[in-house]
Amino acid sequence: RKEVEQDPGPFNVPEGATVAFNCTYSNSASQSFFWYRQDCRKEPKLLMSVYSSGNEDGRFTAQLNRASQYISLLIRDSKLSDSATYLCVVKRGGADGLTFGKGTHLIIQP
Amino acid sequence: DARVTQTPRDKVTEMGQEVTMRCQPILGHNTVFWYRQTMMQGLELLAYFRNRAPLDDSGMPKDRFSAEMPDATLATLKIQPSEPRDSAVYFCASGTHKDRAYEQYFGPGTRLTVT
Repeated sequence: RKEVEQDPGPFNVPEGATVAFNCTYSNSASQSFFWYRQDCRKEPKLLMSVYSSGNEDGRFTAQLNRASQYISLLIRDSKLSDSATYLCVVKRGGADGLTFGKGTHLIIQP
Repeated sequence: DARVTQTPRDKVTEMGQEVTMRCQPILGHNTVFWYRQTMMQGLELLAYFRNRAPLDDSGMPKDRFSAEMPDATLATLKIQPSEPRDSAVYFCASGTHKDRAYEQYFGPGTRLTVT
C-alpha cells in the first residue's frame, strides 16, 4: 500500500464550480500535512499547510481527520488558472523529507 | 524573490556516462533535499542534508548515486554509471522552519534522459 494515496483523476470541472479532493495516508506517525500544486513541466509549489483545526486561504479550504488518516482540499469558485495537479504531502515526525501522493489532475473548463 | 536554482535544466546522455546535477539552495536555508519524479513512482525523496551534513540517503541507490554538499551554496547529485531507468526529473528543494510548518521550496528541476 502506498503511504499517500490520491485519486489521479482527471477531474473535469466547469469554471465557477466547487471541487473537492481527498487523500489518505497510511503512516500514523505522520505529523505535518500539506497540499502542493504542480503545473505541467514545472516544480511543485506549496499551496497550503493543513492544520488539525482546518484552515482556509481565500477560495481554498483544507481539512485533516487524524482518526481516519484523511486529508481534503476544497476549491470554491474555481478559476481556469486552478488547472494543475494537486499533490497531497505528509511529513513524518522526526524526519524532514516529504512523502508525496502521485497527485490529482484538475482541469477547469470554460 | 529568492529561488532555488538547478543546472542543467535538461540533460540527454548515453547509458554508462557520468551525470552531475547541481543545485544552489535559497540563501539562509539550512536543509537541502533531492527528489526524483517519474510517471510511475511520482515524487520520491532520494537524500537530504542539514547544515551540509547528510542526514538520510536511504532513498538513493548507493551503488551508482552520490550526493554531496561541498559548501552551503552548492549541492550536487551524481550518477555513475547512468542507466536508462534513471531517466526522470530530479528536483532539488531547500527548506527552513517557519511557524508550525517546515516549508520546502523546489527548484525548476533537471530533466534527465538516459538513452
